[in-house]
Amino acid sequence: SAVISQKPSRDICQRGTSLTIQCQVDSQVTMMFWYRQQPGQSLTLIATANQGSEATYESGFVIDKFPISRPNLTFSTLTVSNMSPEDSSIYLCSVEGGGGQYTFGSGTRLTVV
Amino acid sequence: LAKTTQPISMDSYEGQEVNITCSHNNIATNDYITWYQQFPSQGPRFIIQGYKTKVTNEVASLFIPADRKSSTLSLPRVSLSDTAVYYCLVGVRGNFNKFYFGSGTKLNVKP
Repeated sequence: SAVISQKPSRDICQRGTSLTIQCQVDSQVTMMFWYRQQPGQSLTLIATANQGSEATYESGFVIDKFPISRPNLTFSTLTVSNMSPEDSSIYLCSVEGGGGQYTFGSGTRLTVV
Repeated sequence: LAKTTQPISMDSYEGQEVNITCSHNNIATNDYITWYQQFPSQGPRFIIQGYKTKVTNEVASLFIPADRKSSTLSLPRVSLSDTAVYYCLVGVRGNFNKFYFGSGTKLNVKP
């Protein structure tokens, strides 16, 4: 199955600033998925990133707040913009690693102060 | 998209068999059922996947009745290290399909 390297693993940021999270996959994949997991909650899908086209966002998430880049088939970034304390969450990327099995990054724990 | 319903939490003791049931009443013909495990501070990890009847691997068994409106994840002889959140997901397999997570079941294994 695919292996994902996600960084940073954690960060503490000032409100109003932005943080870019990176995910590197060890194989080429068509789609990459970005999730948010708020404290004590389940995972919520933010958007789906396809190489060469604009990401598709789920209801409640917008590109201005969570811009996504997908420059090639092994890499993607998610930026959390103009952060507020409500953005404090774990952010995870995911890819389909074959056979319907999805692999997840280890997550980025973001705290906004 | 098929919605899933699971118990919020379950308690068990070491050495016991644990069965976690997931309800997915509006599962579609092409949907598969997949279970993931998540430990604190880690991303979810694939456990098992099935379409119908029974699937078994080195970690767990998955039982799916003929109507496929529910499924049961069976963990044999759990240990403390099996304490985690378990998610049941339903959807079509493939690189172009996104999955939505339900609430999951927090399994607490006691000594």
